[in-house]
Amino acid sequence: QVQLVESGGGVVQPGGSLRLSCAASGFSFSSYVMHWVRQAPGQGLKWVAVVWYDGSNNYYAGSVKDRFTISRDNTKNTLSLQMNSLRADDTAVYYCAKGGGRPLGDGFDIWGQGTLVTVSS
Amino acid sequence: DIQLTQSPSFLSASVGDRVTITCRASQGISSHLAWYQQKPGKAPNLLIYGASALQSGVPSRFSGSGSGTEFTLTISSLQPEDFASYYCQHLNSYPLTFGGGTKVEIK
Repeated sequence: QVQLVESGGGVVQPGGSLRLSCAASGFSFSSYVMHWVRQAPGQGLKWVAVVWYDGSNNYYAGSVKDRFTISRDNTKNTLSLQMNSLRADDTAVYYCAKGGGRPLGDGFDIWGQGTLVTVSS
Repeated sequence: DIQLTQSPSFLSASVGDRVTITCRASQGISSHLAWYQQKPGKAPNLLIYGASALQSGVPSRFSGSGSGTEFTLTISSLQPEDFASYYCQHLNSYPLTFGGGTKVEIK
């Protein structure tokens, strides 16, 4: 069964850190770029970050650059997002999503169920 | 960054109606556009990629068209299960962006 399962969400104070994980199964994980997307309560979708097939390259949205780090472990079929210096406006449901066999051009055909991150004192 | 402007942001329609949603890009993105459907409390679901290619398993009443800067998603005959929010996304260059969304509600 092709699926992505996120974990690691929770409540964190402003300035704190949190690490999200996404476990992949049912497909050849190392053959696809992987993404994180977030959605603040009642708001639209915002792309967060991408990591290349072998972890050799990545890109970030400007709002998270230098605070968030995306990584992957192809031996464990796991995607991660290390989030530091968290702010109230980082509060959102975070989704991991499977990209295509190319870095660009392909839609996100598999999504996790999402994990809620709440930044509050 | 490439901005995507979706219109309308809200749409009220009846079962059986033909519905069209527009997505405009701030610069040319060839055919590197996808459309997603999202229901409350659920993850998005890919409908269309490459501006007009129907994702496997998606009903044929959904179609996409356009290239360059203007794109449309059409639902030929709205069904009860289609009442949801719809988002466009460009995949032309990083950073990727989504449109602001269109909520389709029952008239």
